[in-house]
Amino acid sequence: GENVEQHPSTLSVQEGDSAVIKCTYSDSASNYFPWYKQELGKGPQLIIDIRSNVGEKKDQRIAVTLNKTAKHFSLHITETQPEDSAVYFCAAGGGFKTIFGAGTRLFVKA
Amino acid sequence: DTAVSQTPKYLVTQMGNDKSIKCEQNLGHDTMYWYKQDSKKFLKIMFSYNNKELIINETVPNRFSPKSPDKAHLNLHINSLELGDSAVYFCASSQDKGGGNQPQHFGDGTRLSIL
Repeated sequence: GENVEQHPSTLSVQEGDSAVIKCTYSDSASNYFPWYKQELGKGPQLIIDIRSNVGEKKDQRIAVTLNKTAKHFSLHITETQPEDSAVYFCAAGGGFKTIFGAGTRLFVKA
Repeated sequence: DTAVSQTPKYLVTQMGNDKSIKCEQNLGHDTMYWYKQDSKKFLKIMFSYNNKELIINETVPNRFSPKSPDKAHLNLHINSLELGDSAVYFCASSQDKGGGNQPQHFGDGTRLSIL
């Protein structure tokens, strides 16, 4: 069945460094790739998304890249801050279903 | 204004009891979902409804029964609660039918603990 693999499961960086989270999807019909941030005690919140007709998208300190041929997509956070600490989920959607990755717990050390 | 609100936020109950979780969205979205998040943070889709019609029904025990009285509400009733039902349950909504092509808006979750 459809699957989204996400790596790493845990990521610890120093404040100011960059963080990269990578995902791979299996369903070639997927055409929508959102990223969600989940803070403690809250639900996941959309932070950025990309569609299959675009290879890269940037919004201030965050950027996403998509390689449809390889079925890879990545989240890049630059100049990390302590408030970036959270669990991040990638997802792949198309048609009726969105499949989520297992999540990456990001720690940003001050 | 809370876009997706679910109640209660915490639910502690005994094994074997029946309980309900309610969800309402004021975004005017057509599709609503229930997800289960386990202790390892894995998000698993349970159900989705589009305009009161069941769209997705994953492999979930039939002790779980969703009900959508209108497109702004999706409730989850759980019968005969078991220890393994302990988790955080999230309600979400999206504009499109099925939610594969649009962002989903999540509530803050209901933490269910079975004693």
